Amino acid sequence: DAKTTQPPSMDCAEGRAANLPCNHSTISGNEYVYWYRQIHSQGPQYIIHGLKNNETNEMASLIITEDRKSSTLILPHATLRDTAVYYCIVRLITGANNLFFGTGTRLTVIP
Amino acid sequence: EAGVTQFPSHSVIEKGQTVTLRCDPISGHDNLYWYRRVMGKEIKFLLHFVKESKQDESGMPNNRFLAERTGGTYSTLKVQPAELEDSGVYFCASSQVGGLNTEAFFGQGTRLTVV
Repeated sequence: DAKTTQPPSMDCAEGRAANLPCNHSTISGNEYVYWYRQIHSQGPQYIIHGLKNNETNEMASLIITEDRKSSTLILPHATLRDTAVYYCIVRLITGANNLFFGTGTRLTVIP
Repeated sequence: EAGVTQFPSHSVIEKGQTVTLRCDPISGHDNLYWYRRVMGKEIKFLLHFVKESKQDESGMPNNRFLAERTGGTYSTLKVQPAELEDSGVYFCASSQVGGLNTEAFFGQGTRLTVV
């Protein structure tokens, strides 16, 4: 049951910012937006999450619109190692990690 | 600190045989999850343990799959008998219990091939 919509693929030049959009128009007030990624042949990796404020950590920034119906994951300086499938997931605040991954966005960082 | 570890990393078995996958969660993580990605499909949730109890097994595909977590530490996922469509990558994840915003940490997965 998809709650998010993401473009299937994107390219980004190495060293530039990668901006990955996600629509979650049916998100409820008690759901977070989470981002995970899966680099080829590895397990999914947690990136960042947020509720309604913008968030930043050592990996990325998360910008959530004021109405919370969409968000953008920003990798400020993409490297070749950032090539992966990126998943935007909504999850209940107090929910377990029964995550719905969807199809994600395949980001390819180009040298 | 060790992450989530899974064994074996690869397994090739014949149709009709039995395979047991093992997952060791991060120490202190009471939540343990199994997921899988079959060929060409999305990563799908299978089940969730809180300590030794099955909290949610709604994603288990059929009764050929049996998950256990005796003692609330490591977990096993047994497939008996294996079918061709069971081929895929099986991921285990763990997270802490309680509080908000607890993210899941995933293992590297076990690639199962049924021939």
